[in-house]
Amino acid sequence: EDKVVQSPLSLVVHEGDTVTLNCSYEVTNFRSLLWYKQEKKAPTFLFMLTSSGIEKKSGRLSSILDKKELFSILNITATQTGDSAIYLCAVVMKTSYDKVIFGPGTSLSVIP
Amino acid sequence: NAGVTQTPKFQVLKTGQSMTLQCAQDMNHNSMYWYRQDPGMGLRLIYYSASEGTTDKGEVPNGYNVSRLNKREFSLRLESAAPSQTSVYFCASSPLRDSGNTIYFGEGSWLTVV
Repeated sequence: EDKVVQSPLSLVVHEGDTVTLNCSYEVTNFRSLLWYKQEKKAPTFLFMLTSSGIEKKSGRLSSILDKKELFSILNITATQTGDSAIYLCAVVMKTSYDKVIFGPGTSLSVIP
Repeated sequence: NAGVTQTPKFQVLKTGQSMTLQCAQDMNHNSMYWYRQDPGMGLRLIYYSASEGTTDKGEVPNGYNVSRLNKREFSLRLESAAPSQTSVYFCASSPLRDSGNTIYFGEGSWLTVV
């Protein structure tokens, strides 16, 4: 059965801390891995990863994929209260309709 | 560019009532999806449509029906609402068979069944 697992499920850190969020997957016909940030409403796109070992970076956020070990990490450095959100990992599979499986999400709370 | 638009944003239903959630995308995407999101369970796929005129069940289809009216529109119908269908519903779309796909979400519809 295809599945995506995220850890930890929730995390509380202080402003300025660095956090690492984990996503592991077991799917058939992997196409890409997506990271989203979700605050009060719709998930907003962060990164798409298709190749192993190539870091994607945007400001204080970065992510990397390991297709051999079937996992990805999302790093956030110098966290701010505005980083508080649910972070979703999703895997897109090569099917007739781009089947997308989401993990349960990691709820991050950054306190001053 | 509106992206994915879904209505209504909020709805309260009584048990047994019916309603339709509307979704439209203006990005010329082939694939469209309906997800529900519940605390601690992530996003679960209800139905999807790979192209105009085709629909298929996802992970949690019971109690729902869908219609892919045309390439732009994909509606979700609750025929007889139940309290277990209280959730946040997201419509989404994506281009098909591109190597660089991502999935685009609507703003969500908060549904409460009492």
